[in-house]
Amino acid sequence: DAMVIQNPRYQVTQFGKPVTLSCSQTLNHNVMYWYQQKSSQAPKLLFHYYDKDFNNEADTPDNFQSRRPNTSFCFLDIRSPGLGDAAMYLCATSRVRGQGSDTQYFGPGTRLTVL
Amino acid sequence: GQNIDQPTEMTATEGAIVQINCTYQTSGFNGLFWYQQHAGEAPTFLSYNVLDGLEEKGRFSSFLSRSKGYSYLLLKELQMKDSASYLCAVMDSNYQLIWGAGTKLIIKP
Repeated sequence: DAMVIQNPRYQVTQFGKPVTLSCSQTLNHNVMYWYQQKSSQAPKLLFHYYDKDFNNEADTPDNFQSRRPNTSFCFLDIRSPGLGDAAMYLCATSRVRGQGSDTQYFGPGTRLTVL
Repeated sequence: GQNIDQPTEMTATEGAIVQINCTYQTSGFNGLFWYQQHAGEAPTFLSYNVLDGLEEKGRFSSFLSRSKGYSYLLLKELQMKDSASYLCAVMDSNYQLIWGAGTKLIIKP
């Protein structure tokens, strides 16, 4: 089945220790998104890639970086995690961007704990 | 600013019907999505509305009124597995998804 995969599902890191979260997709979608979601809150878009074109949200901290080495993979790097970065990180994909009907499909998420 | 409003929490009984409302104020409109999210899991797509009216999909239906900035998700024949959060999201004129905080639905036997 075509899907969005995230690894690991649970990640524990120490304050200030860099961490990388990964996402892969077999949907062959052009667009990949990274969201941060805290408990009982709406998902917050951090950035997205349209093919290789990187788009950063204006309020995404510099502490968060992303890489997309190919169509299938996308990584979220948190350079110096703080306690406030503990959250669920969701990767999503869509076929294109710029069409109203474009549905985003989500991976299972990575729950990040910062000690 | 852009805003999506949904009730924080609702409770319903197994076998009953529940309606979850969503009102929105966004810069432009390119469609409204409903997602289901079980605790600790990722959102899964339920429905998409771009024209006024009711879209039915099995036990779930979604309604849209663009003039009122209003949508609802209707769940029939509720099952215990329907206990989840339901998120409303609107695609604005820049094709950006604006998300609501979600409505936590609790189903009681």
